Amino acid sequence: DQQVKQNSPSLSVQEGRISILNCDYTNSMFDYFLWYKKYPAEGPTFLISISSIKDKNEDGRFTVFLNKSAKHLSLHIVPSQPGDSAVYFCAASEADKVIFGPGTSLSVIP
Amino acid sequence: NAGVTQTPKFRILKIGQSMTLQCTQDMNHNYMYWYRQDPGMGLKLIYYSVGAGITDKGEVPNGYNVSRSTTEDFPLRLELAAPSQTSVYFCASSQPGLAGTYEQYFGPGTRLTVT
Repeated sequence: DQQVKQNSPSLSVQEGRISILNCDYTNSMFDYFLWYKKYPAEGPTFLISISSIKDKNEDGRFTVFLNKSAKHLSLHIVPSQPGDSAVYFCAASEADKVIFGPGTSLSVIP
Repeated sequence: NAGVTQTPKFRILKIGQSMTLQCTQDMNHNYMYWYRQDPGMGLKLIYYSVGAGITDKGEVPNGYNVSRSTTEDFPLRLELAAPSQTSVYFCASSQPGLAGTYEQYFGPGTRLTVT
């Protein structure tokens, strides 16, 4: 039973446009949500996070939106750059556990 | 600051063999985690630890064991390796802050093949 879902395995976006990556979760006890970025043959690196008491967090080109009633969050990247091409993982924490989604592979086309 | 280091980078095991994947962090983090990533899949939590001497099971603990005798080290032991354990293994550490953040720092991974 997957508690964190990313239903789009892949996404292609033109350089300069907005990338929107989506994530759904089932466990209402999750209290913190994170996005990680992963390049091939490397470990994931932290990108941005949001507490369950907020609905938006912004860091430069990256914004995460949280809709608790829908159990949905999204990551917006504006403007998208070729260097953003990577796999993006959504993750959620409950107490000391952090559960990851399956990832979305983003390709930004120059 | 090396961050999180993992050894070895690659390993091929025969079915039934055992091995230990090493993980060390130099950030004085209390929390450490082991994940596996199968091809085309996300990261599955195997075991985690919230401090020296304390470990707990994650989503997929069967076939693995861990120990945490120091803050820095969190080795993962595979006994009786099976082909289903072919995967990339990532170790991570974190230090939850007052806000309860769980930003994790990951090692580069160990690619394990069991044949």
